[in-house]
Amino acid sequence: DAGVIQSPRHEVTEMGQEVTLRCKPISGHNSLFWYRQTMMRGLELLIYFNNNVPIDDSGMPEDRFSAKMPNASFSTLKIQPSEPRDSAVYFCASSTDGTGLNTGELFFGEGSRLTVL
Amino acid sequence: GENVEQHPSTLSVQEGDSAVIKCTYSDSASNYFPWYKQELGKGPQLIIDIRSNVGEKKDQRIAVTLNKTAKHFSLHITETQPEDSAVYFCAASKGDKIIFGKGTRLHILP
Repeated sequence: DAGVIQSPRHEVTEMGQEVTLRCKPISGHNSLFWYRQTMMRGLELLIYFNNNVPIDDSGMPEDRFSAKMPNASFSTLKIQPSEPRDSAVYFCASSTDGTGLNTGELFFGEGSRLTVL
Repeated sequence: GENVEQHPSTLSVQEGDSAVIKCTYSDSASNYFPWYKQELGKGPQLIIDIRSNVGEKKDQRIAVTLNKTAKHFSLHITETQPEDSAVYFCAASKGDKIIFGKGTRLHILP
């Protein structure tokens, strides 16, 4: 069974360009999370969706970041315009449960390493 | 919101010795505490978790303890092996989002 699939694995872009990161969660999982990993800040939660609906976007750094989940099998994280400080590894994770006491295991993709020059 | 502190940031232990990583959390409503292991170039993977209705859980060479009163929890790895070298993250949740600590890079020395 395929795990969480992220693309691209690596992206190098110039400051000011638009970046779109993509994620396909595990089939049947109803929660999807976007995390950002840096040396200084560790794993930060940016936003999460439950049943395709954004539940909490309080971790999104600023208006340059946006995320969508148009259906249960696809999500995007967009940065426009990108800045050098956005350089990080962005992880998508999915889970079968996002609420209540049945907090489920997060299954992470392999990440998208973004470098903004 | 929840804040998870993790120590140490780096840990080196001799192969065969034990390793201990400690975490504290701020939100007393948190009731789920997973630990994830991240190998180089990969996403984190769950290795063990504990819920607030138990104080300790073991799975072969790894164990977790939870002190709800003090709001801290720990990961113990015994008889460490080279394949234990990785970054370990603790996390806390009260049923919705999972908040991670900053990670501990564990080096197993030959």
